[in-house]
Order: sequence, then structure tokens, then C-alpha cells
Amino acid sequence: EVQLVESGGGLVQNGRSLRLSCAASGFTFDDYAMNWVRQAPGKGLEWVSGISWNSGIIGYADSVKGRFTISRDNAKNSLYLQMNSLRPEDTAFYYCTKDKPAMSSGLDYWGQGTLVTVSS
Amino acid sequence: QSALTQPASVSGSPGQSITISCTGTSSDVGSYNFVSWYQQHPGKAPKLMIYEVSKRPSGVSNRFSGSKSGNTASLTISGLQAEDEADYYCCSHGGRSTFYVFGTGTKVTVL
Repeated sequence: EVQLVESGGGLVQNGRSLRLSCAASGFTFDDYAMNWVRQAPGKGLEWVSGISWNSGIIGYADSVKGRFTISRDNAKNSLYLQMNSLRPEDTAFYYCTKDKPAMSSGLDYWGQGTLVTVSS
Repeated sequence: QSALTQPASVSGSPGQSITISCTGTSSDVGSYNFVSWYQQHPGKAPKLMIYEVSKRPSGVSNRFSGSKSGNTASLTISGLQAEDEADYYCCSHGGRSTFYVFGTGTKVTVL
């Protein structure tokens, strides 16, 4: 059974940093691209960042470019999101997601999300 | 990286069919057959319902179908059931540096 378990969320002040982690199990982690998707409370979904299986291709939404860094450790079956210079508008549930075999063709598994709250 | 455009709400009676549109541009929906759809019930994580425009993951009811024409994709739910009441989001690949761009979301209400 595929499982994605996020951790690292919490309350942080404006301008500070936070690192999210995602522990993956139930599939061959280094075969798939992975992504972070966020959802502000009561709002829609927003793709944040993605990384290919070997970290060779990385992408960011314009809203986080230059502030967030995605990475993965295939030996530990883990995905990370380093979030710096956090802003109140970054407040959201952050979901760890797994790509279908064809990269960017669909997100077939989602974690339960971790809440990041940035206070002003 | 503008969000894809969806109607805010769509409703239908049990047993009816409804269609949700998703309008993008020639840089996303119009350029790739990588359109996916997600269902989200309140307080839950989204669930993949359609990928690559019209493919259904294992376990998803065949009442859900997807299509695309030009810059617009569509999700049709036939034989509407009470359990289909949820938010639905479309999504498209947006190019090499934009892996995904989501739609604005549509609330489906079963009357």
C-alpha cells in the first residue's frame, strides 16, 4: 500500500524558515517524480514544486521561486521542502504527492497534508 | 502560470449527467495531453479521478469520463450520485518548468 506521510508543519513567524519532510513507502520511490501541492484554508489547489526521479529536473511555482527548495533522498525514500522567507500568504496545507509513471501526467497518491501557518 | 478556469459551481439531480469545463491556454491544456482531474471531499486529500485527459485509475467508477478539445478540457459525471458531491479540480502540465497548473475548482452539488 502506497503511503505518503508529511511532517514538519507548524506555526512560524513571518520571514522565518521551515522544512517539510515526506516519508514514502509502498512503492519504488526512485522510479517516480514527486511534487508538493498546497491549499490555503478554504481555497483551491496550487502546485508548489516538483522534482524528477533523479533530481535532474526541478520546477517551482513563481510564487515560491527563490524562497523554497525541493530535494529528495532516494536512499531514505524521502522528499523535502525547505521553505525560507516565509510569508503569511504561504499559510496552507502542504501535500506530498506522487506522479504517475509519465512525469506530470497526474498525481496518483497524496499524503494527508501538513499545515503551515505563517503569522504576521 | 495563471490558473485554469472552471465554473465555480455545477449542480444536478441524482441520475443526471453533468459536465465541468476547464479552460486553459495553448501553453498548457492546448499543448499537452496531460490533463488530470481530482475530487476532494471536505477535510480530505484530493483523489485522482482522470489522468492523461481520459484515462481512469483503477477503482474509479466508469461514470467519470474526460475529454479535451483545443484549450478546453471537460469532466463528465453520468448517473450523478449523492457521493459525487465534492469539489473538483482540473490540472494540466504547463511546460518544462511548470510541472502542473491547477484549475480554480468547481463545487458539485447533488440536488
